[in-house]
Amino acid sequence: NAGVTQTPKFQVLKTGQSMTLQCAQDMNHEYMSWYRQDPGMGLRLIHYSVGAGITDQGEVPNGYNVSRSTTEDFPLRLLSAAPSQTSVYFCASRVGQLSAGELFFGEGSRLTVL
Amino acid sequence: AQSVSQHNHHVILSEAASLELGCNYSYGGTVNLFWYVQYPGQHLQLLLKYFSGDPLVKGIKGFEAEFIKSKFSFNLRKPSVQWSDTAEYFCAVKGNNRLAFGKGNQVVVIP
Repeated sequence: NAGVTQTPKFQVLKTGQSMTLQCAQDMNHEYMSWYRQDPGMGLRLIHYSVGAGITDQGEVPNGYNVSRSTTEDFPLRLLSAAPSQTSVYFCASRVGQLSAGELFFGEGSRLTVL
Repeated sequence: AQSVSQHNHHVILSEAASLELGCNYSYGGTVNLFWYVQYPGQHLQLLLKYFSGDPLVKGIKGFEAEFIKSKFSFNLRKPSVQWSDTAEYFCAVKGNNRLAFGKGNQVVVIP
């Protein structure tokens, strides 16, 4: 079972460049989300989705876009990268928004914006 | 929205010492409570969770946590830590369909 798969694991960007972080899960989970992890800040929710075609903003959505065309995939787009977006990004999924079940996390994507 | 507080962000202790990490939250309604662990260079993994029933929850690797509703707390404990417990620990609280994480406790166990 692959679980939650994120690519790439590492990426270096220049300010203003765009890129997409990929996230795929094979557990048929309705709920998917993106977090960023920064030292001393814990995990902060960027965007989430409760099902295909449905997305919503989290705590820190500015500078990021998401879409959910299929149940399996939930890509995170940075349209114009800024140094403040240097972080480790985690994709996570759960059975459903209303589910009390645990979140399953991907391995993380470390992004550096120069 | 609920908030989650974890104190003593950095904890250093020797092997065989006891560990207790505090977690307090602000939401007054029904909550689901979680502790996640992140070993160096790895992703977050579930350590234990509380949904209902016995407020003393036992998780993997000898960890346990106690839900005290009156104190809005869900503290994590381990009687005797090992070097392999070096990790960052995150408390998370799900209430009103929103999940909030604490800022984490960085725990270093010295052999």
